[in-house]
Amino acid sequence: AQTVTQSQPEMSVQEAETVTLSCTYDTSESDYYLFWYKQPPSRQMILVIRQEAYKQQNATENRFSVNFQKAAKSFSLKISDSQLGDAAMYFCAFGTGTASKLTFGTGTRLQVTL
Amino acid sequence: ETGVTQSPTHLIKTRGQQVTLRCSSQSGHNTVSWYQQALGQGPQFIFQYYREEENGRGNFPPRFSGLQFPNYSSELNVNALELDDSALYLCASSLSLGQPYEQYFGPGTRLTVT
Repeated sequence: AQTVTQSQPEMSVQEAETVTLSCTYDTSESDYYLFWYKQPPSRQMILVIRQEAYKQQNATENRFSVNFQKAAKSFSLKISDSQLGDAAMYFCAFGTGTASKLTFGTGTRLQVTL
Repeated sequence: ETGVTQSPTHLIKTRGQQVTLRCSSQSGHNTVSWYQQALGQGPQFIFQYYREEENGRGNFPPRFSGLQFPNYSSELNVNALELDDSALYLCASSLSLGQPYEQYFGPGTRLTVT
């Protein structure tokens, strides 16, 4: 069974600064995907970024990038130039290539201050 | 192209009652997954339907059941409601199996059991 651990229940960042959210996972699978989802107060889960395990290059989407360390089973999210709209719950998630089931961490609440 | 929709938005039920939640998948998607998100937690996988057949189930009792219809919309039924069933129920659709990276979430149904 896969597990996903997010050890930071809450984080705070000033507007325009950079913040890194941590995630570790455990799996015996070799083919898998990792995701960061954002859940604002509206409750809708929004995919922020994804990483295929077979790719060594870290994924990047505009201000969002990941640091994927496969051997250490670590998958952190870096948000650059933080904006007020980035405030939300952020969930790290794991999925395999054989099904669409996702395993989520417990989330990190990100506050963005002026 | 319409997104994933869920109904109702909110629901209040009494312990012991039965409830049906509905989900319309994104156009062209034949796979629907259901998740339960308790307050302050990450979503937990309940089950998944692919072309009207159940394809994988999480650690939930048989009183959680589902259906998928020929148009790929889906229902989640919960019998004999318990207080611990109070949660946000999310459905997510994807184009097919084996594509966890293409999972789109609906806004959820907030169920309160009193």
